[in-house]
Amino acid sequence: DAMVIQNPRYQVTQFGKPVTLSCSQTLNHNVMYWYQQKSSQAPKLLFHYYDKDFNNEADTPDNFQSRRPNTSFCFLDIRSPGLGDAAMYLCATSGMENFGYEQYFGPGTRLTVT
Amino acid sequence: GENVGLHLPTLSVQEGDNSIINCAYSNSASDYFIWYKQESGKGPQFIIDIRSNMDKRQGQRVTVLLNKTVKHLSLQIAATQPGDSAVYFCADLTTGTASKLTFGTGTRLQVTL
Repeated sequence: DAMVIQNPRYQVTQFGKPVTLSCSQTLNHNVMYWYQQKSSQAPKLLFHYYDKDFNNEADTPDNFQSRRPNTSFCFLDIRSPGLGDAAMYLCATSGMENFGYEQYFGPGTRLTVT
Repeated sequence: GENVGLHLPTLSVQEGDNSIINCAYSNSASDYFIWYKQESGKGPQFIIDIRSNMDKRQGQRVTVLLNKTVKHLSLQIAATQPGDSAVYFCADLTTGTASKLTFGTGTRLQVTL
């Protein structure tokens, strides 16, 4: 089945130690998104890629970076995680067959910062 | 700024009853409104959407109503089942080169037996 895959599902990192979360998709969608979801809150968009074009949300901290080496993969890099960065990180994709409309979410990676 | 919000944080419904989850929005420029279901430990799952020029759309056991006059959106679930227990988010979507979703605060639906 075509899907959005996130690895790992659970990630523990130390305060200030760089961490990378990964997302892959078999949907061949040209748009990939990263959301941050804190406990009992709604997902919040961090940034997205339209093909290779990176689009950062205005309020996304510089501590968060992203890479998209090809259509299938997208990475979220947190350069110096703080305790406040503990959250669920969700990857989503959308394709132009629906005018970039419907987004398909992965299961998320839960990040713990110790 | 623009926001999408929900009236109730938790809704308890008996199995078999109908559920109504409400949402208020403020962005009049949104092209679509979407309801997502998020089960514990999973990503949001698309349920149903409605275009901004419509006032009602029906799916399987679900109906979404849009009242643009009062900027109100609702999700009705018929014959609620235990598997419907989850957090429900409304989201407004603006289309363009890439769609952008803005999620509202979730409502937790608890289905009691």
